[in-house]
Amino acid sequence: QQQVKQSPQSLIVQKGGISIINCAYENTAFDYFPWYQQFPGKGPALLIAIRPDVSEKKEGRFTISFNKSAKQFSLHIMDSQPGDSATYFCAAGNNNDMRFGAGTRLTVKP
Amino acid sequence: DAGVTQSPTHLIKTRGQHVTLRCSPISGHKSVSWYQQVLGQGPQFIFQYYEKEERGRGNFPDRFSARQFPNYSSELNVNALLLGDSALYLCASRLGPSGGYTFGSGTRLTVV
Repeated sequence: QQQVKQSPQSLIVQKGGISIINCAYENTAFDYFPWYQQFPGKGPALLIAIRPDVSEKKEGRFTISFNKSAKQFSLHIMDSQPGDSATYFCAAGNNNDMRFGAGTRLTVKP
Repeated sequence: DAGVTQSPTHLIKTRGQHVTLRCSPISGHKSVSWYQQVLGQGPQFIFQYYEKEERGRGNFPDRFSARQFPNYSSELNVNALLLGDSALYLCASRLGPSGGYTFGSGTRLTVV
């Protein structure tokens, strides 16, 4: 059972553009929503996370938008750079469980 | 400071064998989780431990088991290996019972 659905599977953006990745979750018991970045041969690295008491969180070029009623959240990467090219995973969970989306492969063209 | 360390980094096993994967969390971290990542897919949740107690379990067969030791390190055991168990096994740790995880670089298991 896929508890976290992520789209798109792949994304190509020009340098300086905005990258947008979307996720939807099913379990209303989830109260923590992180985004991870993974480079080949490495484990996922935490980028930014949000809890459902706020609708948006911004850290540098990365912003999470959260819609609790729709059970959806998204990652926006502003001024995308070639170094941002990686696979991005959304996740949703609580103290005892954390489920990941299938991933989005982002390519930022120079 | 050392991050999450996993051993071994690579492993080749034969179908039907048993394997033990090891994880040392970041110093001070009391929560450890295990994930399986098949190439091209997202990590799949296997187990979560906090203060040496199992707090969560994903949809994996009983061939998969784990434990957390008093020093908060952890082992993942897989019995009767199948070809489909070939994957990257990731360990992650966090300070307390909630919040974001720090992942290790994983153990690449190949079952032949």
